[in-house]
Amino acid sequence: AQRVTQPEKLLSVFKGAPVELKCNYSYSGSPELFWYVQYSRQRLQLLLRHISRESIKGFTADLNKGETSFHLKKPFAQEEDSAMYYCALLAGNMLTFGGGTRLMVKP
Amino acid sequence: GAGVSQSPSNKVTEKGKDVELRCDPISGHTALYWYRQSLGQGLEFLIYFQGNSAPDKSGLPSDRFSAERTGGSVSTLTIQRTQQEDSAVYLCASSFKRLAGVETQYFGPGTRLLVL
Repeated sequence: AQRVTQPEKLLSVFKGAPVELKCNYSYSGSPELFWYVQYSRQRLQLLLRHISRESIKGFTADLNKGETSFHLKKPFAQEEDSAMYYCALLAGNMLTFGGGTRLMVKP
Repeated sequence: GAGVSQSPSNKVTEKGKDVELRCDPISGHTALYWYRQSLGQGLEFLIYFQGNSAPDKSGLPSDRFSAERTGGSVSTLTIQRTQQEDSAVYLCASSFKRLAGVETQYFGPGTRLLVL
C-alpha cells in the first residue's frame, strides 16, 4: 500500500529565509505527486503537481525517485505563505495524503 | 465559475443519530471523492464515484458509512448511528477524469461534524 510521510508537523521560519517542507513516499508504481495548501479559513487547494514541473507562488518541488522524496522548496519565505501544507500521492482512484506540515513565517 | 459546495457547513448531532452530508461538485466533473480530515488521522480517503461505474468504497471505515451519487452529480454521505470518533471535517472533491493525463481534484469547504 502507498504511504506519504511528512516528518515535520510544524516548521517556523523568518520572512526572507529559505524553506523546505519534506515529503517522502512509498509506492510500488510510478508516482503522481502533488502539494496541496490550506490557508487559514480557506478550502484545500492544489499548489503544484510534479508532472507539470511548475513554480507556483515561488514554490517548486522536484520528484527524486531514488530518495522517494518530493520536497517543497521556496528560496525566500513570505508571511502570506503561512498555511498548512499537504503532500499527496495519487494511486488508482484516491489521493493518499501526508499528515501535513504547518508553516509559520514570522515577520 | 462556482466551485465545489458542501452543506451543511457545520453539524452537531448526538451519538446514535444518523446524519447526511451533501456535496455539489463542479458542473461537468465526472469524478467525485469524499475524504475525512480528523485530528490525529490527517486526511483519509473514503469513497470515489466515476460516472456510472460502481463506486470505490475501499476507504469507508465501517458499514455505518454509505454514500450515493444521484444523476452523476450531487452526492450524499450518510453516517448511521454516529459515534464520537466520527467527529471530523468531511471534505468532498471533484475532478474531470480524463483517459490519460493527471487530473486535478478541487475541494469543497468541508462539513465540520461534531458528535456529542
